[in-house]
Amino acid sequence: QSRLTQPASVSGSPGQSITISCTGTDIDVGRYNYVSWYQQHPGKAPKLIIYDVIERPSGISYRVSGSKSGNTASLTISGLQAEDEADYYCSSYTSSTTSYVFGTGTRVTVL
Amino acid sequence: EVQLVESGGVVVQPGGSLRLSCAASGFTFDDYTMYWVRQAPGKGLEWVSLISWDGDKTDYADSVKHRFTISRDNSKNSLYLQMDTLRTEDTALYYCVGSGSDYYYFEYWGQGTLVTVSS
Repeated sequence: QSRLTQPASVSGSPGQSITISCTGTDIDVGRYNYVSWYQQHPGKAPKLIIYDVIERPSGISYRVSGSKSGNTASLTISGLQAEDEADYYCSSYTSSTTSYVFGTGTRVTVL
Repeated sequence: EVQLVESGGVVVQPGGSLRLSCAASGFTFDDYTMYWVRQAPGKGLEWVSLISWDGDKTDYADSVKHRFTISRDNSKNSLYLQMDTLRTEDTALYYCVGSGSDYYYFEYWGQGTLVTVSS
């Protein structure tokens, strides 16, 4: 089954902003406002940081935001901090043969 | 505090079977859709299966369809994954995940149980 396409790596200096893209098709990202994002630190379980494209769960920093245009969703982290260094995955509900699809994952490095 | 604790991961030979379990606590289990998500060593996340709050609806990734069966026992606050005809590519950390029934995201995650398929 297909995965959503993310850049393999993104880096930035402390205080800068970075944006991670998540490109799907018109049967997943483009069709539904059910894109979510997950942060995963090494050896840890993933953690929900954005849901329904733009919503932040309770306790998630205001520095994290989501958006969508057409078949591409984006995650922006502003005021980059050392603790933001992690792997990030997008996910979308899909009308494909299976209900959900994940992105390929992006490693964020804080320089 | 929400807790999801997976168990049952072991080393199994190709073609073998295995049953994973997930014990849930800290939330109203029968209000939640439950999922299994896996992650092969050094790889990304892969959605595996879902089951609705009442067990009436199930769905599977193409890669596991007709080999894996998801089930739940709301009286025991438990989720299960029966894995048959295992392949080497099923080797992964299997996460138990829960989310409210009307939601389309993965809210609560366990720490995972490791399944290794090897001869």
